Amino acid sequence: DAGVIQSPRHEVTEMGQEVTLRCKPISGHNSLFWYRQTMMRGLELLIYFNNNVPIDDSGMPEDRFSAKMPNASFSTLKIQPSEPRDSAVYFCASSPQDRATGELFFGEGSRLTVL
Amino acid sequence: RKEVEQDPGPFNVPEGATVAFNCTYSNSASQSFFWYRQDCRKEPKLLMSVYSSGNEDGRFTAQLNRASQYISLLIRDSKLSDSATYLCVVSGNQGGKLIFGQGTELSVKP
Repeated sequence: DAGVIQSPRHEVTEMGQEVTLRCKPISGHNSLFWYRQTMMRGLELLIYFNNNVPIDDSGMPEDRFSAKMPNASFSTLKIQPSEPRDSAVYFCASSPQDRATGELFFGEGSRLTVL
Repeated sequence: RKEVEQDPGPFNVPEGATVAFNCTYSNSASQSFFWYRQDCRKEPKLLMSVYSSGNEDGRFTAQLNRASQYISLLIRDSKLSDSATYLCVVSGNQGGKLIFGQGTELSVKP
């Protein structure tokens, strides 16, 4: 069975460039989460969707970050313009439940380096 | 105060040792509790849920103390393969999201 699929796995870009990270959740899961992980701050929830609708985006750092979920099988996280402090591993996770009271299934992550 | 706090470690233990990790959380309204495991440069994966009455899964025992807002994980007879970072996870308000602690690093040595 396919798990959560993220792309790209690695991205190196220069400050000021636009970055788009993509995620395909597990089929049938109706909740999707974007997390960011750094050594300093650990895993931080950026935003989560339930049935393609954003429920809580309070973790999105600032206006440079945006996330969309146009359908049940695809989500994007966009950073424009990117800055060196955005360097991190970005994880997408999905869950079969409406609320995160159960197991989250994570993708392998997208490792972003902004120079 | 962080919402979920853990001792970052590292905990360096010999094979066969018993090791315990602790975690405290700030939101008394939290309803769901978990331990996740994350191997180096990999994604987090669920290790076990934590129930009010305490629960055991093989060599792993998890306990919850709601009054003290405290969660623990005990690993008995530790194996080399237990080396990883263990993340304490707590549901946020209204259960809509999971909040991760910074993790406790465990290194089991031969």
